[in-house]
Amino acid sequence: GENVEQHPSTLSVQEGDSAVIKCTYSDSASNYFPWYKQELGKGPQLIIDIRSNVGEKKDQRIAVTLNKTAKHFSLHITETQPEDSAVYFCAAIYSGGGADGLTFGKGTHLIIQP
Amino acid sequence: NAGVTQTPKFRILKIGQSMTLQCAQDMNHNYMYWYRQDPGMGLKLIYYSVGAGITDKGEVPNGYNVSRSTTEDFPLRLELAAPSQTSVYFCASSPIGGLNEQYFGPGTRLTVT
Repeated sequence: GENVEQHPSTLSVQEGDSAVIKCTYSDSASNYFPWYKQELGKGPQLIIDIRSNVGEKKDQRIAVTLNKTAKHFSLHITETQPEDSAVYFCAAIYSGGGADGLTFGKGTHLIIQP
Repeated sequence: NAGVTQTPKFRILKIGQSMTLQCAQDMNHNYMYWYRQDPGMGLKLIYYSVGAGITDKGEVPNGYNVSRSTTEDFPLRLELAAPSQTSVYFCASSPIGGLNEQYFGPGTRLTVT
């Protein structure tokens, strides 16, 4: 099955700086890579996703890049703000007609220092 | 829309007791999922369903059972609770599965002592 590794487990950055979180996956057939943000006491919420036919996707201050050859993808947050503090999870799935759930990384606790 | 709702929010069980975690969605999604989240870990898939009457096992199904009699509801049953089932449980739904966003509920925090 799929295995997703996520680094770092904790990331502390100064407000206004950029943050980068990296993930690798094992199954070359995986074709959908979402990123979820989880605030304390809440369920995960999708912030951005990328499909395997695209190398990069941007949405305002957040972007995701995908390198299929190396089997890794990264989340980039620019101009970080206090409300960006949360736990971020990467995930991967092979969607070939089935409905298997997502395989998640272990999460990155992002801390924005004022 | 309320989205995905879960009850209860918190529960403490004694070893060997049983309970049902409730999950409901009002978005008319066909696909529903149950995950568990252990401290410092990512979410792991327990069971999923692609529509009423159809369920299948995920990565960690042992000790759990599910049913899907309606599109809206997807309860998770714990029989003979064990300390290893102490976790936070999340229900999620998706309109057509696969390459689409999964919408998560707020979670149920379960402690088995």
